[in-house]
Amino acid sequence: AQTVTQSQPEMSVQEAETVTLSCTYDTSESDYYLFWYKQPPSRQMILVIRQEAYKQQNATENRFSVNFQKAAKSFSLKISDSQLGDAAMYFCAYRSAKAGGTSYGKLTFGQGTILTVHP
Amino acid sequence: EPEVTQTPSHQVTQMGQEVILRCVPISNHLYFYWYRQILGQKVEFLVSFYNNEISEKSEIFDDQFSVERPDGSNFTLKIRSTKLEDSAMYFCASSEASGPYGYTFGSGTRLTVV
Repeated sequence: AQTVTQSQPEMSVQEAETVTLSCTYDTSESDYYLFWYKQPPSRQMILVIRQEAYKQQNATENRFSVNFQKAAKSFSLKISDSQLGDAAMYFCAYRSAKAGGTSYGKLTFGQGTILTVHP
Repeated sequence: EPEVTQTPSHQVTQMGQEVILRCVPISNHLYFYWYRQILGQKVEFLVSFYNNEISEKSEIFDDQFSVERPDGSNFTLKIRSTKLEDSAMYFCASSEASGPYGYTFGSGTRLTVV
């Protein structure tokens, strides 16, 4: 079974600075997808960014980018120019790409990292 | 932007009572899911639903739980006899296809069992 680990329960950053959230995962599969979700105090789950494992290029969405290291099974999220609205819980998640596999379609989440942004 | 709609946003129920949590997925989505999040803990998979049947369920999804898509638009989660430990945030999600797409999550139903 796949596991996702976020080793930083809490992180903080000054407004306008850069912060990196860590995520590692364990899988025996070669084809999968990775995601970062943001959960603000409203508890809505919002997709921030996604990465296909077969792509070597790191995904980028505006101020959000990832550092995907497939061999190391690492998937960190970098937030540049942090804003007060970035304060939230961030979840890393894994999804198998294997059709018909036991975890097909299911997201496996890490424990989450609470990000605080200081003005 | 299309949304996944969940109702109610908050439900309080007495232990042993049945509850039905409702979801309206995005109309052209094919895969539907329920997840739950006990306060302060990680989000856990409950069940996935495709082509009008359960495609996968977790060990949490025991005989007390059931899902159905009664009318082609709604997707419901029923808990037959609620326990205190069922208190959690329940998220419905839908996905257009099985590729690299992330899900679209609903805003959740906070279930409190007293």
